[in-house]
Amino acid sequence: AQTVTQSQPEMSVQEAETVTLSCTYDTSENNYYLFWYKQPPSRQMILVIRQEAYKQQNATENRFSVNFQKAAKSFSLKISDSQLGDTAMYFCAFMGWLKAAGNKLTFGGGTRVLVKP
Amino acid sequence: DGGITQSPKYLFRKEGQNVTLSCEQNLNHDAMYWYRQDPGQGLRLIYYSQIVNDFQKGDIAEGYSVSREKKESFPLTVTSAQKNPTAFYLCASSMRRTGASTDTQYFGPGTRLTVL
Repeated sequence: AQTVTQSQPEMSVQEAETVTLSCTYDTSENNYYLFWYKQPPSRQMILVIRQEAYKQQNATENRFSVNFQKAAKSFSLKISDSQLGDTAMYFCAFMGWLKAAGNKLTFGGGTRVLVKP
Repeated sequence: DGGITQSPKYLFRKEGQNVTLSCEQNLNHDAMYWYRQDPGQGLRLIYYSQIVNDFQKGDIAEGYSVSREKKESFPLTVTSAQKNPTAFYLCASSMRRTGASTDTQYFGPGTRLTVL
């Protein structure tokens, strides 16, 4: 079974600065997807970024980028130019490639990010 | 607007009662999912359905039941057999995988269930 670990329960960052969230996972599969979701105080889960394991290029979405290290099974998220609206829980999630697995997402425990003015 | 709706936003239930949470999507997605979130924790999969009239148990299905009679609807019933039902429940949906597309799951706003 896959597991996802987020080792930082909470992080704080000054507005306009950069913060990096760590995520490691364990799988025996070679092809899979990785995601970062954001959950603000409203509790709505919002997709931040996704990465396909077969792509070597790291995904980027505006101020959000990832550092995907397949051999190390590491998938960190960098938030640049942090904004107050970035304050939220951030969840790392894994999804296997196999259709038989039902496209299930396995989530980490989350990292709470607080952006300070 | 395309999206996923869940109702109600807050739900209170007495012990021993069954309760049904609604999830509707108009994204034309084939697959739908139910997750449970406890305070300070990540999400855990309860049930999922990849096609109408078919569904599978997730990691914590005991005490829950679902149906999938229509593509756009995937209601979750929390039965009296669920020992600790107080939690935040999230519904999600995704397209089925074809070719190079990814099955990103998109989430509804959630239902907060409290057992009194």
